[in-house]
Amino acid sequence: SQQGEEDPQALSIQEGENATMNCSYKTSINNLQWYRQNSGRGLVHLILIRSNEREKHSGRLRVTLDTSKKSSSLLITASRAADTASYFCATVGSQGNLIFGKGTKLSVKP
Amino acid sequence: NAGVMQNPRHLVRRRGQEARLRCSPMKGHSHVYWYRQLPEEGLKFMVYLQKENIIDESGMPKERFSAEFPKEGPSILRIQQVVRGDSAAYFCASSPVAAVDSSGNTIYFGEGSWLTVV
Repeated sequence: SQQGEEDPQALSIQEGENATMNCSYKTSINNLQWYRQNSGRGLVHLILIRSNEREKHSGRLRVTLDTSKKSSSLLITASRAADTASYFCATVGSQGNLIFGKGTKLSVKP
Repeated sequence: NAGVMQNPRHLVRRRGQEARLRCSPMKGHSHVYWYRQLPEEGLKFMVYLQKENIIDESGMPKERFSAEFPKEGPSILRIQQVVRGDSAAYFCASSPVAAVDSSGNTIYFGEGSWLTVV
């Protein structure tokens, strides 16, 4: 079953704008991770936030985590056309595998 | 340090044939995960293996699908008697420790194998 559910399913913005994607999950977690997938490619790890962290930054990425609401958000600031991709959140299942949401498809128009 | 290597990248099979997908984990990684991705969807967990052992196969279809990770050599995902619904991208990932035991280690994905059943 899906653990993380992202919204929106699709997001289209202009270059330079910020993009915000949200993720909700169901069970308790140790950490939550965000991945990026370019069309026809594998997943690339972007950032991991631990359950005792509320916010984390990496370059133009900002991730927040609210364990009380079981939700996380990924913010990409000053977006570029090269940011066009699908973005997935993932949590860890009880057996050690990652469980992914359905993803948000981001399109950044130049 | 080479990443997770999957082959073939693209595979076409006729209905009823067998598909074998291979995954060589990163050096030093003994945990392997297989995921399936249907078009426009997220990744669905299939199976988690550690050397010579299946840890969790709760996402594997009960029939026609099998996976192994022998002591020597790559992990193999085998699909027998393929049907059109098996057409998907199959991703392998590896990690040095189980993700659930990790305080921050991530798992690394291969570029995927795209199976088309005609």
